[in-house]
Formats: sequence, C-alpha cells, structure tokens
Amino acid sequence: DGGITQSPKYLFRKEGQNVTLSCEQNLNHDAMYWYRQDPGQGLRLIYYSQIVNDFQKGDIAEGYSVSREKKESFPLTVTSAQKNPTAFYLCASSLAGGPIDTQYFGPGTRLTVL
Amino acid sequence: AQSVAQPEDQVNVAEGNPLTVKCTYSVSGNPYLFWYVQYPNRGLQFLLKYITGDNLVKGSYGFEAEFNKSQTSFHLKKPSALVSDSALYFCAVRASGYSTLTFGKGTMLLVSP
Repeated sequence: DGGITQSPKYLFRKEGQNVTLSCEQNLNHDAMYWYRQDPGQGLRLIYYSQIVNDFQKGDIAEGYSVSREKKESFPLTVTSAQKNPTAFYLCASSLAGGPIDTQYFGPGTRLTVL
Repeated sequence: AQSVAQPEDQVNVAEGNPLTVKCTYSVSGNPYLFWYVQYPNRGLQFLLKYITGDNLVKGSYGFEAEFNKSQTSFHLKKPSALVSDSALYFCAVRASGYSTLTFGKGTMLLVSP
C-alpha cells in the first residue's frame, strides 16, 4: 500500500517547546515538501527537498527546520522561534520535483500551541 | 513571478446542476496548472492537471477543467454536482523555470440536496 504518512495526526505543544512532525513516503519519490495551511490563506511552502541531504527554504521558513537523511523521510521541526505555530501542516512528495510532476499529499498534522 | 487567484471564497450549487469553480493565473512563461480537492481535516487529493495540448482536461470523479490562455484562466467544471462534491478546492500554478508550486487561497464548494 503506497502513500505518504504523517504522524501524529494531532499535536499539542507548550510555548517554548520544539516539536518534530514526521513525514514518510514509500512512493520512491525524490522530492518532498512541507506546507502550512491556515484558514483562508491557502497553502504556503515552508521547505522542500529534491534530493537526499539537500533542501531549500520556501516562502515561510523562519522558525522551522528540516532534514533529509533518507529518501523516504522528511521530518519538520517547529522551533520555539516560530511565533504562531498553530496550523495544519501538510507534507507532499513528487517524482522528481520537475514542473509537471504532480505533488501527492499526506493526511496532515494539526499542531496546536497551548 | 507566478500567482494564482480564486475569486470566489464560496460557491453554492444545487445537486444535479452544473458547477464551475474559477481560477485565474499570472506567470512568466508556460504555465502548468493543477486542481486539488480537500475534505475536512484531510490532505489534498489531486484532481487533474494541464501541461500542454488539449485545452479541456478530464480528471477524477467526473471533473474537468478548461485552459484558456487568452483569459489566463483554468476553471474547474462538472456537469452534474453531487452533495459529496462539497469540499475545499485549490488551484495551483507552476511556471516553467520555477521550482515551486503556488496555490490559490481555495474555494469552498457547497452542494445542497
């Protein structure tokens, strides 16, 4: 059963804590992405990676960090420097990161800061 | 630069009637256009994309979209709406030479019985 998994589904964080969101894919895709979704704002790109051990900042990278040590995995850390982290986070992957490649999305993680 | 606009926050349609969800784009170069659907608290599901060729693109669940280069539009259509089509729809664009996809803010489609 191929696809993208994200865990946990719901995550609660106290202010000042770092948290890590997991994203795993078994589609053998080279490219992976992290988006943040807020009501009425669509999706905004946080980070993306087109190859293992390499990644680039998206439009709203401040307060976030990523790693890409394995092709299948692209974890996102929300640091205490992110001022307003409460949001729905979506991970996606695509075959090679090219302009015509379709991005496929995971089910998302809803992060709430208490 | 690349951008996409979905001018309607919400579209209401009765079941059985045709539906249209609008999308316009702005790019430098050739556009590659995508439509996705999102159900509550779920990830996005891919519906269809335009790369090149025929301006009418057919996708999943009976949806289709028409690429209009002169009007820079890529409207999503379905001949007969179902209540189960009620969801949030996103249009996205990526221009040749750009490394990322830009999403619109989304349009909520509500289909009434």
